[in-house]
Amino acid sequence: KQEVTQIPAALSVPEGENLVLNCSFTDSAIYNLQWFRQDPGKGLTSLLLIQSSQREQTSGRLNASLDKSSGRSTLYIAASQPGDSATYLCAVRMDSNYQLIWGAGTKLIIKP
Amino acid sequence: ETGVTQTPRHLVMGMTNKKSLKCEQHLGHNAMYWYKQSAKKPLELMFVYNFKEQTENNSVPSRFSPECPNSSHLFLHLHTLQPEDSALYLCASSRGTTPRTDTQYFGPGTRLTVL
Repeated sequence: KQEVTQIPAALSVPEGENLVLNCSFTDSAIYNLQWFRQDPGKGLTSLLLIQSSQREQTSGRLNASLDKSSGRSTLYIAASQPGDSATYLCAVRMDSNYQLIWGAGTKLIIKP
Repeated sequence: ETGVTQTPRHLVMGMTNKKSLKCEQHLGHNAMYWYKQSAKKPLELMFVYNFKEQTENNSVPSRFSPECPNSSHLFLHLHTLQPEDSALYLCASSRGTTPRTDTQYFGPGTRLTVL
């Protein structure tokens, strides 16, 4: 059974720092992996999607990498800003049934 | 606004109450989803509807009863809930035509507290 783990559960860093959020999964038979952002009182917004054949995807200050064989993905945020404060979720889509399996998220606080 | 709306945004109910959550999508999608998000836990998929037909029920207790009258509306009827049912209930929608690449769009959620 696929399990998705995100460590740390919470992270607080000063503004301007570069940071890395981690996501690991136990079953490498995935179709793709997505990173989402969740703001309080709002729904989830998709940030980046990496297909299983890809190694990384970039969008602005965000870079997501995927090492499928080791069951790991990272979300790199460059030059963090207070507006980046949110909970970041990763989800893998299974190759077998296309179900989305979610991590519990990392709550990120960027201090001004 | 994400195109998926949910009402109410907050709900407090007793264990003997009956209430309903509503979700509406304005994106022309055909698939709709209910998720439960408990504190510090992964999202749990509860139900999936595709073209108004229920395609998934992930062993959800019968005290949760979904209804999908059309592709734009999804309800979750609640009765005789337990305190452990307190959570954020998220609705999502997607095109529903290509499960491999379907992108889900989420509503803001209903924060449910069961006393």
